[in-house]
Amino acid sequence: GAVVSQHPSRVICKSGTSVKIECRSLDFQATTMFWYRQFPKQSLMLMATSNEGSKATYEQGVEKDKFLINHASLTLSTLTVTSAHPEDSSFYICSASGILRGAREDTFGSGTRLTVV
Amino acid sequence: DAKTTQPPSMDCAEGRAANLPCNHSTISGNEYVYWYRQIHSQGPQYIIHGLKNNETNEMASLIITEDRKSSTLILPHATLRDTAVYYCIVRASGGGADGLTFGKGTHLIIQP
Repeated sequence: GAVVSQHPSRVICKSGTSVKIECRSLDFQATTMFWYRQFPKQSLMLMATSNEGSKATYEQGVEKDKFLINHASLTLSTLTVTSAHPEDSSFYICSASGILRGAREDTFGSGTRLTVV
Repeated sequence: DAKTTQPPSMDCAEGRAANLPCNHSTISGNEYVYWYRQIHSQGPQYIIHGLKNNETNEMASLIITEDRKSSTLILPHATLRDTAVYYCIVRASGGGADGLTFGKGTHLIIQP
């Protein structure tokens, strides 16, 4: 089946620094990838849609200058949290979309636990 | 995408079948029913999907009512590792590129 690799799995950074998270589709080409955020005891919330070769589309309330998304190839999307603050501490998850088993499926990465101190 | 309603939590004994219900009364004709689950501190995992026929794979069975307004995910022999939050999502398949809308899901706890 499809595999999406996400790195790092956890990161601790100081307030004011930037953190980059990578999301790779290992065995299929994903023209579209998605980034989600999950706070404790809450459900996943879509942050942005990442399209290969074009600008990302951000959900309402998500600052595009703070959460920089790059999707330079069909297998790699990156999310950079710039000038991180403690309130950005969360579980960040990516997914890649493809047609599998005859219908659209989204395959998720294992997530990145970001802690800003 | 149509909205879904799921019970917030369920318990099931290990080895028994776990039956997770989902209501999606506003589902439209081109929308599929998808099930994902999320084990604690991991990314969601695809389980199964269907349009109107019942479906079965190595993980689970999906039973969709004839009017498509509700469905049931069945884990035939639940194990402790099936403890997770299960999400029922309806969405149009094929064209378009929209992210998934996750509700609160059902927290399934498998009891030893």
